[in-house]
Amino acid sequence: DGGITQSPKYLFRKEGQNVTLSCEQNLNHDAMYWYRQDPGQGLRLIYYSQIVNDFQKGDIAEGYSVSREKKESFPLTVTSAQKNPTAFYLCASSIGGTADYEQYFGPGTRLTVT
Amino acid sequence: GQQVMQIPQYQHVQEGEDFTTYCNSSTTLSNIQWYKQRPGGHPVFLIQLVKSGEVKKQKRLTFQFGEAKKNSSLHITATQTTDVGTYFCAGRSSSNTGKLIFGQGTTLQVKP
Repeated sequence: DGGITQSPKYLFRKEGQNVTLSCEQNLNHDAMYWYRQDPGQGLRLIYYSQIVNDFQKGDIAEGYSVSREKKESFPLTVTSAQKNPTAFYLCASSIGGTADYEQYFGPGTRLTVT
Repeated sequence: GQQVMQIPQYQHVQEGEDFTTYCNSSTTLSNIQWYKQRPGGHPVFLIQLVKSGEVKKQKRLTFQFGEAKKNSSLHITATQTTDVGTYFCAGRSSSNTGKLIFGQGTTLQVKP
């Protein structure tokens, strides 16, 4: 069954703790993306990777870090430096490395930090 | 930076009525994509438009890309309760080929 998996679906953390969100795809896609979704603000790009071992900052990268050591995996770490980390996080992938291709989204992780 | 604005933010319609959402960019777009997100779900790709003035139809959905490639619209004819969700437009930045810029989305509610 091909697709993108994100785990866990819900995540709770205390303020000051780093947390890593998992994203795995078995679609053999080159590009992967992390978005943050807040009510009324659409999707905002955190980081993206057009090819393995390379990634670029998106529009709201501060307080986040990523790695792309394997083609199928693109984990996102929300660090304690992120001032307002509570949000819905969506991972996506696309077959090509440019934004000319449809993006396939995972089911998302809802992170709550208290 | 490049922005994509989408209006309206919310729309409530009676089942059977038509619905339109509009997307406007501050700069020329290379393409425009549309996604639908059902309540509690994740965005799902609907369509991509590339050419100036392009019009594409999917059953009751009609998508348009403006002549100047700075605006787009999605029109749904005779809405059904299955159309409920949030519709997002997303444009490819002309200066950065790796990024899509998403609009804020239009949330559609349909009363049966």
